[in-house]
Amino acid sequence: DTAVSQTPKYLVTQMGNDKSIKCEQNLGHDTMYWYKQDSKKFLKIMFSYNNKELIINETVPNRFSPKSPDKAHLNLHINSLELGDSAVYFCASSQGGGARYTFGSGTRLTVV
Amino acid sequence: GQQLNQSPQSMFIQEGEDVSMNCTSSSIFNTWLWYKQDPGEGPVLLIALYKAGELTSNGRLTAQFGITRKDSFLNISASIPSDVGIYFCAGQSLKKTSYDKVIFGPGTSLSVIP
Repeated sequence: DTAVSQTPKYLVTQMGNDKSIKCEQNLGHDTMYWYKQDSKKFLKIMFSYNNKELIINETVPNRFSPKSPDKAHLNLHINSLELGDSAVYFCASSQGGGARYTFGSGTRLTVV
Repeated sequence: GQQLNQSPQSMFIQEGEDVSMNCTSSSIFNTWLWYKQDPGEGPVLLIALYKAGELTSNGRLTAQFGITRKDSFLNISASIPSDVGIYFCAGQSLKKTSYDKVIFGPGTSLSVIP
């Protein structure tokens, strides 16, 4: 069973479109994250939720809106996609906000 | 803001060689971690360190939490082809709450020549 699963794996879309990425974890963790990995492989945190409550919200355009319906799910909705949004987006989870993360396998977003 | 530096940025080694890489910061961290990312996959936790001076092994991997709490080292002994990937260090400072950000280094890309 996959511990942290993201869908879709690949997403190619045109500028201006709205898209969502879904993430689910079956580890029983209470904290979930979205990270963005750029073309140089830098990993930068975007958001973190603990038990459905937003606890980290980095300087991210407000076109990005996370939603956590329950502690096992964290989705990311992106409005009005731009070329610069092209990257790999990783979902991760941990217990108690600790740094022992379990990452998903990533969603490669390409905006054309 | 907090930043981590990793060196070397990339390395090409012969199978069987030992590998050393390190991670430094201008800030103190309470937790240091090492992750490995295979192509097309998410990073996977290799080793977590919680105490200054701590030395921890995981198979052929050994990592150390620097005494100054501003650095960490990862060694891989007798490298094999499946060691190929990007190795990320990460630090967490645990200031006010346990929900402090984890900062990732820029990674060390390892290539192993059979």
